[in-house]
Amino acid sequence: NAGVTQTPKFRVLKTGQSMTLLCAQDMNHEYMYWYRQDPGMGLRLIHYSVGEGTTAKGEVPDGYNVSRLKKQNFLLGLESAAPSQTSVYFCASSYSKVGTGDDEQFFGPGTRLTVL
Amino acid sequence: KNEVEQSPQNLTAQEGEFITINCSYSVGISALHWLQQHPGGGIVSLFMLSSGKKKHGRLIATINIQEKHSSLHITASHPRDSAVYICAATSFPPYYGGATNKLIFGTGTLLAVQP
Repeated sequence: NAGVTQTPKFRVLKTGQSMTLLCAQDMNHEYMYWYRQDPGMGLRLIHYSVGEGTTAKGEVPDGYNVSRLKKQNFLLGLESAAPSQTSVYFCASSYSKVGTGDDEQFFGPGTRLTVL
Repeated sequence: KNEVEQSPQNLTAQEGEFITINCSYSVGISALHWLQQHPGGGIVSLFMLSSGKKKHGRLIATINIQEKHSSLHITASHPRDSAVYICAATSFPPYYGGATNKLIFGTGTLLAVQP
């Protein structure tokens, strides 16, 4: 099993460009999450999904959109990239929702994004 | 002030030393997680605990609910333990309209174990 995979691993964008980050998991997890990690700050939740066809906003959703058309995939889109979106992005998945006894999150390897 | 605070931010140890990383939180929680992040690598869950103590190999995690404090201990440290260790608290009550609770992450402790 590959677990959680992310593509691409690295990307450099110019301000105003768009891109999509792909997250895929093969563990049949219902819950999926997108986080960003910035220096001096803890991971922050951008968007999450509680199942196929559902998405919801997390702590820092502005400037991002997501889609979960298939259970195994969770896409994060930047429509018009800004330098403030320079960060490392992590996708995660879990079998059940945060707060239950089965909510261990499995993380992908991360995508390092630089917006010039 | 962050809702989840870790100390120290940076820690250098010699191989074989006993290491302690601390985590304090100021919100109601239902569980606390310890995660490990290797340089340039992904994030791996080490422990989830809501009371008492858990042990896995040379790693021990403890939590004191009354004092809102958790510790991660590494016995007989080894250079391969060098990583960032992250504490994360599962919020209680639920956030986000009850659809899921919130994981509140600390900023991490960078551990370097020298041979």
